[in-house]
Amino acid sequence: QSVLTQPPSVSGAPGQRVTISCTGSSSNIGAGYDVHWYQQLLGTAPKLLIYGNSNRPSGVPDRFSGSTSGTSASLAITGLQAEDEADYYCQSYDSSLRGYVFGTGTKVTVL
Amino acid sequence: QVQLQESGPGLVKPSQTLSLTCTVSGASISRGGYYWSWIRQHPGKGLEWIGHIYFSGSTNYNPSLKSLVTISLDTSKNQFSLKLRSVTAADTAVYYCARGPGRDGYNSRFDDWGQGTLVTVSP
Repeated sequence: QSVLTQPPSVSGAPGQRVTISCTGSSSNIGAGYDVHWYQQLLGTAPKLLIYGNSNRPSGVPDRFSGSTSGTSASLAITGLQAEDEADYYCQSYDSSLRGYVFGTGTKVTVL
Repeated sequence: QVQLQESGPGLVKPSQTLSLTCTVSGASISRGGYYWSWIRQHPGKGLEWIGHIYFSGSTNYNPSLKSLVTISLDTSKNQFSLKLRSVTAADTAVYYCARGPGRDGYNSRFDDWGQGTLVTVSP
């Protein structure tokens, strides 16, 4: 089981803002390890969406933003579009497990 | 642009060894700067880091799988490989190879991914 907990699903109408939480602990996010976010479209491999808590790789729209606070992180999508319908995963490092860990994943549905 | 491509059998019998290879193009494994990882995704589930290897041959494995996993590399072919021993149905998953972690060490991420290959463990 993952040590990073995400809501199973979130939904919103086109143009709305949605947020996805990623709740960790003192051995991962709370320890200061960076959080990264991936987008996985149906039937495809994950794609890096946000790195280093809040940075966007080249080509990622600025509608996507990330933040951290304490033992949690959040991904926000503003101006939701149909093409944003996908699964989203957070990722960090856990010093207790001594390995890289992923969140449980959140399915974003555009209504 | 870095591209990764997994290859190997799609069906493995229980108790046997799962073997996959990742071919990298657009980057040289032997140049350093990045680790090269294997990650899997059980059907309809989340992602699990299996382990990674550096061009020097140094490896690091998920402690939950460490006793059953070996990752190796062939720099002459710009490939790295995964072997998972004594598989069971619980090892049925899509296996991805990925570039990363990078220079940020524990703060690093997985920058590029292969398309993934489904491996089914069944008699």
